[in-house]
Amino acid sequence: EAQVTQNPRYLITVTGKKLTVTCSQNMNHEYMSWYRQDPGLGLRQIYYSMNVEVTDKGDVPEGYKVSRKEKRNFPLILESPSPNQTSLYFCASSLTVGTLPRNTEAFFGQGTRLTVV
Amino acid sequence: EDKVVQSPLSLVVHEGDTVTLNCSYEVTNFRSLLWYKQEKKAPTFLFMLTSSGIEKKSGRLSSILDKKELFSILNITATQTGDSAVYLCAVYNTNAGKSTFGDGTTLTVKP
Repeated sequence: EAQVTQNPRYLITVTGKKLTVTCSQNMNHEYMSWYRQDPGLGLRQIYYSMNVEVTDKGDVPEGYKVSRKEKRNFPLILESPSPNQTSLYFCASSLTVGTLPRNTEAFFGQGTRLTVV
Repeated sequence: EDKVVQSPLSLVVHEGDTVTLNCSYEVTNFRSLLWYKQEKKAPTFLFMLTSSGIEKKSGRLSSILDKKELFSILNITATQTGDSAVYLCAVYNTNAGKSTFGDGTTLTVKP
C-alpha cells in the first residue's frame, strides 16, 4: 500500500530535549516536505527536499533541521525544542520531474502531534 | 511573499445545499493550485488546477481556476454530512517545491 509513515504519532517532551520525527514513504517519490499546522494558521511549510541531499527552507524553518540521505526518508529534527513548536506536524511526498514537481498532488502522513512543555 | 486567502472561514449548511468555496492567491511564478479535504486527520487530495477555465469534476465536487483574476472556486452540490471537513487550498510556484496553503474553510453540513 502506497503510504507516508510518520513516527511518533504523539509526543510530549520538555524544552531543550532534542527530538527527531521520522518520515518514510514507499512510493519512490523524489519530493518530500514538512508542514506544521496550527489553529487559524493553516499549513505552513517548514522544509522541503527535491531529491536526495537537496533540501530547502520553507516559510517557517527556524528551530528545525532536516536531512535527506536516502530517497525514502526525510526526518525532522528539533535540536532544542521550545513551547512555540507545539503543533501538529505533517510530512508529505510527491513525484517530480527535473527540477519541478510533475504531479504536485502530495500524499500526506497521518501527522505527529507534538507538545513541548 | 506568497499569499493564499480562503473564504469564507467557516460555513454551515444543510444536507442538499450547494456550496461554493473561494481561494484567491498572490504568488510569484504560479505553477499549480491544489484543493485538499481534511477531516480529523491528514489532508487528502481533491483537485489540481494549472490552466484557466478548465473545470475539474469528481462526482458532486468541481473546481475551476481563473489565472487572470487569481482565484479558484470549489463547488459542492447536494451536500452530505460526510462533506463536513476543512477544505484547504494550496498554491505551488515554480521555485521547485515551494508551497503556500490558505487557512482553510471549515464546512459543516447538518442533517
